[in-house]
Amino acid sequence: DSGVTQTPKHLITATGQRVTLRCSPRSGDLSVYWYQQSLDQGLQFLIQYYNGEERAKGNILERFSAQQFPDLHSELNLSSLELGDSALYFCASSGTGASPFGYTFGSGTRLTVV
Amino acid sequence: GQQVMQIPQYQHVQEGEDFTTYCNSSTTLSNIQWYKQRPGGHPVFLIQLVKSGEVKKQKRLTFQFGEAKKNSSLHITATQTTDVGTYFCNNAGGTSYGKLTFGQGTILTVHP
Repeated sequence: DSGVTQTPKHLITATGQRVTLRCSPRSGDLSVYWYQQSLDQGLQFLIQYYNGEERAKGNILERFSAQQFPDLHSELNLSSLELGDSALYFCASSGTGASPFGYTFGSGTRLTVV
Repeated sequence: GQQVMQIPQYQHVQEGEDFTTYCNSSTTLSNIQWYKQRPGGHPVFLIQLVKSGEVKKQKRLTFQFGEAKKNSSLHITATQTTDVGTYFCNNAGGTSYGKLTFGQGTILTVHP
């Protein structure tokens, strides 16, 4: 157990639907990062939140949005889902922007769009 | 933002052979972090290098940071089947998009 909790572990949904992925960071970590990993793809950075505020944005689609709540958990909302959105979505956390101990990743949510 | 390129993309070795993966950047890196992702698993932090020419070892793994801080390598001596997975490098820290993107990594397959 890495200390970063992601739910659900698996999600199967139809095209056009909307889903919400949830992440609870490791205790004490203020930064949350979301990544998308498709088959044979690297980790594509989506977005970072720090203590409730958006800190950095990657190639996140307009159909995707995220937020970090006062208790520091974060949610990634994916809407108007397409087949190509099927991927593994990871959440990671760290204490501040940079950490000598690296980012701690959760086990991921596997999203399948059918 | 800064981007690190990792080579090779794939590496197949026989158990007992050595393995090396490289990260290269056209600009000076503030640091380099290495991660391992087992098949079906999530990335796990291995180590961070910060100083020019730094070398760190973890059992059979040797990590190096180049003198110019533009490249890094991970070398595994006498690979074992437990070394199978994808190895990622990352220039961590800051909020520059490039620093938060890991890239494709090197997928290592070890044949028994």
